Amino acid sequence: GEDVEQSLFLSVREGDSSVINCTYTDSSSTYLYWYKQEPGAGLQLLTYIFSNMDMKQDQRLTVLLNKKDKHLSLRIADTQTGDSAIYFCAESHAGNNRKLIWGLGTSLAVNP
Amino acid sequence: EAGVTQSPTHLIKTRGQQATLRCSPISGHTSVYWYQQALGLGLQFLLWYDEGEERNRGNFPPRFSGRQFPNYSSELNVNALELEDSALYLCASSLGGTGGHQPQHFGDGTRLSIL
Repeated sequence: GEDVEQSLFLSVREGDSSVINCTYTDSSSTYLYWYKQEPGAGLQLLTYIFSNMDMKQDQRLTVLLNKKDKHLSLRIADTQTGDSAIYFCAESHAGNNRKLIWGLGTSLAVNP
Repeated sequence: EAGVTQSPTHLIKTRGQQATLRCSPISGHTSVYWYQQALGLGLQFLLWYDEGEERNRGNFPPRFSGRQFPNYSSELNVNALELEDSALYLCASSLGGTGGHQPQHFGDGTRLSIL
């Protein structure tokens, strides 16, 4: 079946690195995404990774994918108070359905 | 470049009424997606439209329906509203085509409240 799981809360100090984890069950997942949702706003696409990649880096963001363990992580370097938000992991499959399967989101609190 | 725009921002209805939510995609995007974000349930896929046709539908009753217009904007209609329909409804758009992968970009949503 299709399931994506994330821990619900993470608290870090400003300037530290944050690591948000996600596990998924469907081995046919082809793309995995990270979205950010600030209070009262929609979802902002942060980054995505194709399942044949192990790592993707984009400025302060690093995505690591362990396909064997079906584990995805998002590392935010030098976390700032503006990074406080809910972070969602989502997966999609190859083919013609474009349906994203979502985790429940991890609420990141950045303390000064 | 304008992002995905949704209207209205908030919508208050009573049980049994009908609601219409609207979405304009990013210019150049021909695919539109609808998601429901209900408290405690996370995001659930509702519908995908591409080039005016419904391409995929999530596990929702038939009273949830929609359409896509020739200018690629879209409407989501919810009939016979129930209390559990209260949620944030998010629209996303992407480049079109019916195969492969296209990142989805989201609007800020319509908050639907059922009294």
